[in-house]
Amino acid sequence: QKEVEQNSGPLSVPEGAIASLNCTYSDRVSQSFFWYRQYSGKSPELIMSIYSNGDKEDGRFTAQLNKASQYVSLLIRDSQPSDSATYLCAVGKAGVTGGGNKLTFGTGTQLKVEL
Amino acid sequence: ETGVTQSPTHLIKTRGQQVTLRCSSQSGHNTVSWYQQALGQGPQFIFQYYREEENGRGNFPPRFSGLQFPNYSSELNVNALELDDSALYLCASSSYRGAKNIQYFGAGTRLSVL
Repeated sequence: QKEVEQNSGPLSVPEGAIASLNCTYSDRVSQSFFWYRQYSGKSPELIMSIYSNGDKEDGRFTAQLNKASQYVSLLIRDSQPSDSATYLCAVGKAGVTGGGNKLTFGTGTQLKVEL
Repeated sequence: ETGVTQSPTHLIKTRGQQVTLRCSSQSGHNTVSWYQQALGQGPQFIFQYYREEENGRGNFPPRFSGLQFPNYSSELNVNALELDDSALYLCASSSYRGAKNIQYFGAGTRLSVL
């Protein structure tokens, strides 16, 4: 079982629709959860972070976390062609001696927003 | 722009050679993490440096090594390059905030091993 699993897609949605991206993780002690967007040939760009159960909204983006089900999702409302990219789910565990999260990424879901 | 800079942007090496990649962290960040991203895959954690010490390592062989300098910039060294080392190498910087630590990525170095 992979530590972080995502459907590779591609997920195609029409412009203006809601895109729903899903991610499951296996390590129950994971503490932090991130969604990064990656355009082809570019580096990952942080979209959302979420740390506790429930929903977190930021503009057109909503992240949802359910630690009991080990599930995190990203909703993109009013999808635009510029949202077409690969979306990476990342799960983090902080070190006990300081430093930062060590992130484990899924393979990413390719989103295509069609005109 | 994340304020994290990596050099060079592209590199071509032959099998068996050695390579050094460089990363300057965002101002105020004392932690640098390195990731390898093969084509079509998610980034994989190589190692992390915190206050000039290695602070965690992923499943990579010892020929992958690193350094962090007093100004918190960092280097990734790879010896005895193999064809499978061809990938995008990403550096991320952060400052410690426990579990709420956010990592910001540089533009990456694309390494091709022939």
